[in-house]
Amino acid sequence: DADVTQTPRNRITKTGKRIMLECSQTKGHDRMYWYRQDPGLGLRLIYYSFDVKDINKGEISDGYSVSRQAQAKFSLSLESAIPNQTALYFCATSDSRDRVRDEQYFGPGTRLTVT
Amino acid sequence: QKEVEQNSGPLSVPEGAIASLNCTYSDRGSQSFFWYRQYSGKSPELIMSIYSNGDKEDGRFTAQLNKASQYVSLLIRDSQPSDSATYLCAANTNAGKSTFGDGTTLTVKP
Repeated sequence: DADVTQTPRNRITKTGKRIMLECSQTKGHDRMYWYRQDPGLGLRLIYYSFDVKDINKGEISDGYSVSRQAQAKFSLSLESAIPNQTALYFCATSDSRDRVRDEQYFGPGTRLTVT
Repeated sequence: QKEVEQNSGPLSVPEGAIASLNCTYSDRGSQSFFWYRQYSGKSPELIMSIYSNGDKEDGRFTAQLNKASQYVSLLIRDSQPSDSATYLCAANTNAGKSTFGDGTTLTVKP
């Protein structure tokens, strides 16, 4: 089984709808991240969480919110989806015991289309 | 200026050649550096990490770090068609999160 899973893998939704993307991990890592990737571009950080009670905004948090329900689960919500949120979304994890290194492990991604 | 910059490419090399991928970073506080490989439509996969000046070799891959020049590179020896992918450079500043470059797309032609 994959160490980092994301659901759904693909989603088509309409403008204005609320949508939640979920991420679960079995790696035992305490740090979790949400990124979006647009064609031809790198990864842009939306939110990150260093433990259940620590949630931080990334560079593009507007229009998004997150919830860290447990160490293993980190959800991303789009409160009112808009077409320019169409992108590939990745969840990632890392281990703070390896604090300098921050080697990140990614889920398979969710392809989101907002029409 | 982006915090982490990579040659946009695309980079094309013949099979068996050495592919050289370059990355510069602007934050002198950066301590750790990573190369991720991303196949089209797939998630990034960590292939190399480097923390000290100099070279680090792992099989056909060599990462090079020069903190004075704020420069990181990845060399792929004996390039194979299966190495065709986008390579993402990332830098971490001990704040606990990495900043990624936009990636360089490599094509290895048989």
